[in-house]
Amino acid sequence: GDSVTQMEGPVTLSEEAFLTINCTYTATGYPSLFWYVQYPGEGLQLLLKATKADDKGSNKGFEATYRKETTSFHLEKGSVQVSDSAVYFCALITYNNNDMRFGAGTRLTVKP
Amino acid sequence: GAVVSQHPSWVICKSGTSVKIECRSLDFQATTMFWYRQFPKQSLMLMATSNEGSKATYEQGVEKDKFLINHASLTLSTLTVTSAHPEDSSFYICSARDFAGVDLFYNEQFFGPGTRLTVL
Repeated sequence: GDSVTQMEGPVTLSEEAFLTINCTYTATGYPSLFWYVQYPGEGLQLLLKATKADDKGSNKGFEATYRKETTSFHLEKGSVQVSDSAVYFCALITYNNNDMRFGAGTRLTVKP
Repeated sequence: GAVVSQHPSWVICKSGTSVKIECRSLDFQATTMFWYRQFPKQSLMLMATSNEGSKATYEQGVEKDKFLINHASLTLSTLTVTSAHPEDSSFYICSARDFAGVDLFYNEQFFGPGTRLTVL
């Protein structure tokens, strides 16, 4: 079935470091791909999304490119801040599955 | 963007009581709402999908008689945890999908802030 695999955390970085969180997917058909962020004690907020191959989603300095050839949607940010500390979820929706499939989540901690 | 609210944001109850959690789409009509459960430091687990005016579809392993879902209108879905026990303690998150009518899979889900349930 459709699924998402994320790199396991936790990830700890110093402020201004470069961030990559890997995400790969398995899906029948062509999924839409999403990154969500969850701050402590809160629900999920959409960070960015891409709906077709080679699309690049971007928001708040974060980017992810939909790579069909590698079935990947890696999240990157050039310079992280302490306020980026949160849990990040990669997710997909396919035409055949109306529900969203989530990765396990990656906890990011950014230290000053 | 579209806003989804949940009420209450947290609840503490005694074992054996029932708890109702509301999920509302505030500025859009949601033909479909989803209920998730999240255990500490884990991902979201889909419990059920509810479509307005019809019975909810439960995921395998989720007891439909224990987790009652009602989606009576295009802006409100409720989850009732009946005869709650300590193992039901969790973070419950709902999401709603905007109705676009043309290409459903293009539509993202909008998530509520979650409800933390603690059963003593």
